[in-house]
Amino acid sequence: KQEVTQIPAALSVPEGENLVLNCSFTDSAIYNLQWFRQDPGKGLTSLLLIQSSQREQTSGRLNASLDKSSGRSTLYIAASQPGDSATYLCAVTNYGGSQGNLIFGKGTKLSVKP
Amino acid sequence: NAGVMQNPRHLVRRRGQEARLRCSPMKGHSHVYWYRQLPEEGLKFMVYLQKENIIDESGMPKERFSAEFPKEGPSILRIQQVVRGDSAAYFCASSPLQEINQPQHFGDGTRLSIL
Repeated sequence: KQEVTQIPAALSVPEGENLVLNCSFTDSAIYNLQWFRQDPGKGLTSLLLIQSSQREQTSGRLNASLDKSSGRSTLYIAASQPGDSATYLCAVTNYGGSQGNLIFGKGTKLSVKP
Repeated sequence: NAGVMQNPRHLVRRRGQEARLRCSPMKGHSHVYWYRQLPEEGLKFMVYLQKENIIDESGMPKERFSAEFPKEGPSILRIQQVVRGDSAAYFCASSPLQEINQPQHFGDGTRLSIL
């Protein structure tokens, strides 16, 4: 059974710092891995999707990497800003699973202090 | 271009009542997904629907829960005879294609509280 773990559960950093969020998964047979952002009282916003054949994806100050064989992904945020404060979730889609059956971690709650 | 619309945003029900949660997907999207987020828990997949078809309901509780996505109108998640443990945030997402690497677009959720 696929399990997704995110460490740390919470992180507080000063503005301007570069930071890394970690995600690990137990079964490497995945179609893809996604990183989402969730603001309080809101839904999820998709940040980056990495297909199983890819090693990384970049969008602006965000870079996500995927090491499928070791079951790990990292989300790198450069030059953090207070507006980056949110909960970051990673999710995988298993081989053999339907496209909608995302398996989520519990998230990392990020606070960026001005 | 409106995003995924869920209503109501907040719903309060007494034990034993029925809860009906609605989701209108983004324009042009024909695939809808429901997830549940329990307090202190991650999001859990419930069901994946296309118009008039249930594709994957492997995450749905076997009793009291049902979902539909009719040819016309929003997708509905129905919970009958609600219990305290049903209190959670319910999120709907949609996508336009039957494509495994297509990101989903999420609504802002319905917060269900059971008294």
